[in-house]
Amino acid sequence: GAVVSQHPSWVICKSGTSVKIECRSLDFQATTMFWYRQFPKQSLMLMATSNEGSKATYEQGVEKDKFLINHASLTLSTLTVTSAHPEDSSFYICSAPSSGENIQYFGAGTRLSVL
Amino acid sequence: GENVEQHPSTLSVQEGDSAVIKCTYSDSASNYFPWYKQELGKRPQLIIDIRSNVGEKKDQRIAVTLNKTAKHFSLHITETQPEDSAVYFCAAPNAGNMLTFGGGTRLMVKP
Repeated sequence: GAVVSQHPSWVICKSGTSVKIECRSLDFQATTMFWYRQFPKQSLMLMATSNEGSKATYEQGVEKDKFLINHASLTLSTLTVTSAHPEDSSFYICSAPSSGENIQYFGAGTRLSVL
Repeated sequence: GENVEQHPSTLSVQEGDSAVIKCTYSDSASNYFPWYKQELGKRPQLIIDIRSNVGEKKDQRIAVTLNKTAKHFSLHITETQPEDSAVYFCAAPNAGNMLTFGGGTRLMVKP
């Protein structure tokens, strides 16, 4: 199946710093990518839909100024957690549907720990 | 939008027994239902999916059944093994190819 690469896999940062997470579709083009957040022992919660060449669509309750999303090309979406705080510590996962399919291919996830 | 509910939240079975996880969805227009397996700290992996033009699909020890009238679908794992222990998520599509996930089921297979 299609491959989605996500980096970094683990980040530890100080409170107040910003962290950028990259999500790449390696063998297909993705006009849309999705960003999820997963807290321990909980389900995946959609944060936002990343749209190539246009603004991201954020789910209710997700601060767009805190979670900046850029989808500058057909293979790359980035999520920047700005001024991170301990409550932002979580597992962030991106996904992308392969063209013409319903199937979502997931990145490996990024574990963010904010001290 | 789509609302997906999943039960049970935890399931413990003896090795060799069967496990069944059930999900209900709200949008009758949904036509694609995947199941994902997620091991601790790893990405969700698609294990099986079903489209609305079939009622059942099987892949070795894993099967999924779909009842469109009742708007529910189930995952069946037979002859469970310790390596089946993981969290399983069902999902149903929303507009624009996005998925709404169920709350997850933590399956524990005891040797």
